[in-house]
Amino acid sequence: QLQLQESGPGLVKSSETLSLTCTVSGGSISDGSHYWGWIRQPPGEGLEWIANINYSGKTYYNSSLKSRVTISVDTSKNQFSLQLSSVTAADTAVYYCARHSKVGSTTYYCDFWGQGTLVTVSS
Amino acid sequence: QSVLTQPPSVSAAPGQKVTISCSGSSSNIGRYSVSWYQQLPGTAPKLLIYDNIQRPSGVPDRFSGSKSGTSATLGITGLQTGDEATYFCGTWDNSLTAVVFGGGTRLTVL
Repeated sequence: QLQLQESGPGLVKSSETLSLTCTVSGGSISDGSHYWGWIRQPPGEGLEWIANINYSGKTYYNSSLKSRVTISVDTSKNQFSLQLSSVTAADTAVYYCARHSKVGSTTYYCDFWGQGTLVTVSS
Repeated sequence: QSVLTQPPSVSAAPGQKVTISCSGSSSNIGRYSVSWYQQLPGTAPKLLIYDNIQRPSGVPDRFSGSKSGTSATLGITGLQTGDEATYFCGTWDNSLTAVVFGGGTRLTVL
């Protein structure tokens, strides 16, 4: 069974860079039929999609975050990572990594999720 | 404000049926299939429905999905207290070139 696990600091200072890594087990990140992405959820709020990437490095970004986001993939470690720069209190959220499946040209869904990691931005 | 619109909350009694709506536009639901996610309190979202109507292995057939035009609906029959959760719809938006979600609907089983 595919499993995803987020890791990284739970506390980041305002104006600094948030860095998270997602380790994939039970499957290969080099599977060409999937993208690997990040989604966040501020406390008590809904889901906000951040970005995704495939094994060859093709990326898509949420336009509202694009200027601050870097997503990368390391196929040798079966990991992908997120960096979010210049963080503020508004970036405090549970960050989830998830596998994005694409079937044909009109079907997209997130079928496997990590457990999530809370990142708090402190002043 | 979310790109997809869901009611903030719905409620029904155990054993009853409930539906949750998800409204979008021609650049998202009107063009792409919809998925639904169940988020139990304190846990990560779980895929419930994909490709509008498909259920992943292990999801009971009490859960169903449908889509018409730029709207989609999640149906839950035979409600159980364990179904109390927040439900999100999601899809791709080709104007935004991004995954988009609804704001979530909190289900209360009275």
